[in-house]
Amino acid sequence: ELKVEQNPLFLSMQEGKNYTIYCNYSTTSDRLYWYRQDPGKSLESLFVLLSNGAVKQEGRLMASLDTKARLSTLHITAAVHDLSATYFCAVDNGGATNKLIFGTGTLLAVQP
Amino acid sequence: EAGVAQSPRYKIIEKRQSVAFWCNPISGHATLYWYQQILGQGPKLLIQFQNNGVVDDSQLPKDRFSAERLKGVDSTLKIQPAKLEDSAVYLCASSSDRVFRDGYTFGSGTRLTVV
Repeated sequence: ELKVEQNPLFLSMQEGKNYTIYCNYSTTSDRLYWYRQDPGKSLESLFVLLSNGAVKQEGRLMASLDTKARLSTLHITAAVHDLSATYFCAVDNGGATNKLIFGTGTLLAVQP
Repeated sequence: EAGVAQSPRYKIIEKRQSVAFWCNPISGHATLYWYQQILGQGPKLLIQFQNNGVVDDSQLPKDRFSAERLKGVDSTLKIQPAKLEDSAVYLCASSSDRVFRDGYTFGSGTRLTVV
């Protein structure tokens, strides 16, 4: 059974600082997604990583995927308050019936 | 392109009552998913449909939850009778045959409160 773990669960950081959120998963997959969720809102797709070594960047966020280590990272550069949200990674289980298995989420609070 | 539509947005019911949620996926998307997201947790897959057939319902509490997808388009998720622990956001998502290219699209969700 595919399990997805994120850490940290909660991250409080100051504006301007850098930090990384980690996503580990238990079985082989080469498709991983990062989502953002604001309070009371649905899931907003941030990144889709489809191969080993994939790296994608959008603004202050950069995501990478290492399928051999079964690890993805979401790096935040020079955080701003607007990035405060919950971030989820989700792994596509592959096979004939694709579905997303979500991590526990990381609640990011950027303090001024 | 219209997104995944869900209704209602909010629902408050008493325990032991029944409730139903509705989802209309993106046109042409063959696969439809229902996820349950309890406050402070990641979404958990309840049931997956491929067209109008069930592909995976291994985590659906079948003694109280049921779902159907008639004609391979709209879907309804029902809870009867509801328990306090069913309080959650219920998210519907859909994907096409080209999921590797197009990914998954989520609806806005239905927030259920059981009192």
